[in-house]
Parts: sequence; C-alpha cells; structure tokens
Amino acid sequence: QSVLTQPPSVSGAPGQRVTISCTGSDSNIGAGYDVHWYQLLPGTAPKRLIYGNSNRPSGVPDRFSGSRSGTSASLAITGLQADDEADYYCQSYDNSLRGSVFGGGTKLTVL
Amino acid sequence: EVQLVQSGAEVKKPGESLKISCEGSGYGFPGYWIAWVRQMPGKGLEWMGIIYPGDSDTRYSPSFQGRVTISADRSISTAYLQLSSLKASDTAMYYCGRLVGPTNYFDYWGQGTLVTVSS
Repeated sequence: QSVLTQPPSVSGAPGQRVTISCTGSDSNIGAGYDVHWYQLLPGTAPKRLIYGNSNRPSGVPDRFSGSRSGTSASLAITGLQADDEADYYCQSYDNSLRGSVFGGGTKLTVL
Repeated sequence: EVQLVQSGAEVKKPGESLKISCEGSGYGFPGYWIAWVRQMPGKGLEWMGIIYPGDSDTRYSPSFQGRVTISADRSISTAYLQLSSLKASDTAMYYCGRLVGPTNYFDYWGQGTLVTVSS
C-alpha cells in the first residue's frame, strides 16, 4: 500500500482533459514538501513530467500541468493524445519515513 | 549530457546475492544524491534508499533496511545496489535515479536493470 494515494486508472477520449489526483498526509504533502510527477511508458525508464508541484522541464508540452493544495496534488492533461497513454506516478518526501514516497501509479487510457 | 547507465539484466537463484551498478557521466558525480527504486512486475515504484557519493551518506527505506546495501565508488562515478538472500519476490526492475537534493525530485534516471530470481 503506497503512502501517496492515486486512482488506479483514468481514461479520456482524444482531445479531452483528464486529472490524476495524489493524496498524502501531514507528514509529506501536507508538511509542505513538493510533489513531482513522472510518466512511465512500457519498457522505458520514468520520465520527469512535473517538478516542484507545477514546473515543467523543457520539452514537456504545456498540455501537462500540476498543482498542490493542502495534503493533495493533481496532474492535469489537456488535449489528450494517443501517446499520452502511460502510467503516471506522483512523488514527494515523507518526514516520518525520512525518504521519498511514491503514489501507487495511475494508468491513463486514451479511448 | 547527463547519463546514468545501469548494468545488465541478472538471473539469480533464491538465497544468492546480487550487486548491480549505476554509472554516472556528464556531471560531477560526487555532488548529487543517487537513489534506487524498485518496480515489481505490475506494481508501482518503491523508494529503496539513497547515497550521497561525496561523503557516502546513505539512507534506507524502512521497507528495505537490513537486506539492502547501497554504496558508491567516486573514483569511477558508480553507485551500487546489493541485495542479499534473494527471494522470488525480489524479481523486479531496479532503477537508479539522480536526485536534486535528498528531499527533492529525480531529474535523470538509469535505463533499469531487470532482476529475475528463480530456482
């Protein structure tokens, strides 16, 4: 059971908008630690998508955006494309575990 | 260009030990934390532990403490993950990643090392 909770799956049609939630607690997101998001395509290493809650690395389309509030964070993807189909993970730091923690991952299906 | 290159796939028997490597290049290896992350088949990412090659400061996840050893050799810019008393449940993909600070995000990842434990 992951420290950060994500929905197991989300889906949307091409062009639509989807959001993926990431719920933590007072020892991680609620303590003010940043939330970061990664995309995992089958057979490939994780790719940084969002860092520091809402920052996009160069090369990541502005269709991807992140936000954080209280003990939760979310990733929004607009203008869904077929190649967005992947697993998405949130990550933060937990001060009671004294280490990084991940969400359980969310599988995005583009219908 | 920053790169993390991991050692190749391993097949081990239960009870054996394993040591996989992660070589960094294109940046000052001693100055960045390296983390190890496990992904079991069909499961999510799990943080195993981190090391700061500059002074070998090492921290472990409580879930892996005791059976995992993380080390680094600054002279060859390489970090290592050792697992002892392997079990079938250790079958997984293991990734190394460069951390921007111990409480921060992964900015670069290795390609992953597939470990299969089977009798």
